[in-house]
Amino acid sequence: DARVTQTPRDKVTEMGQEVTMRCQPILGHNTVFWYRQTMMQGLELLAYFRNRAPLDDSGMPKDRFSAEMPDATLATLKIQPSEPRDSAVYFCASGSSGTSEQFFGPGTRLTVL
Amino acid sequence: GDSVTQMEGPVTLSEEAFLTINCTYTATGYPSLFWYVQYPGEGLQLLLKATKADDKGSNKGFEATYRKETTSFHLEKGSVQVSDSAVYFCALWKAAGNKLTFGGGTRVLVKP
Repeated sequence: DARVTQTPRDKVTEMGQEVTMRCQPILGHNTVFWYRQTMMQGLELLAYFRNRAPLDDSGMPKDRFSAEMPDATLATLKIQPSEPRDSAVYFCASGSSGTSEQFFGPGTRLTVL
Repeated sequence: GDSVTQMEGPVTLSEEAFLTINCTYTATGYPSLFWYVQYPGEGLQLLLKATKADDKGSNKGFEATYRKETTSFHLEKGSVQVSDSAVYFCALWKAAGNKLTFGGGTRVLVKP
């Protein structure tokens, strides 16, 4: 059964290190979303892609975060340099444009020490 | 801008109790409304949805009715089980923008 996959599932790193999170959307889906979940802020939309093009990344701190889709089967979210305040669970979701349902991956739990 | 407000948790219940989670929204136009559920250690899953006023979404014993007059979409279940322990998110979606706007989530804990 088709699922969104994310790697790694857990990542512990030290402040200042680069972190790359990967997402494989469901085959055939053309929209990809990156969310961040924290206790304080809840779920925040960081970036949104349609047909691999970024449509909205207004929720993303531009100075250290970047999101890309090198091809239709891979989305990446990179943080460089990482900071302790980036500690959160990062979710990727995919869907089809024009439809409302989003399918979420299991998340990457990031801890920055 | 659009927003979703839901009751804060945690909500603690005994098994077989009645569950209600309140959700209200602010949006222009005609959004679709959703409830997503997040079980421990997992991503969010769609629980139910309603796309227009007076629609009722239902799934796994849960129900919610889209009330445009009160801008609400309250989630209910008549008899909860321990396995319903999770965080529940109310959300809205509009075709223009194609983005979900989530509420803050409500943690529900069902005790045997």
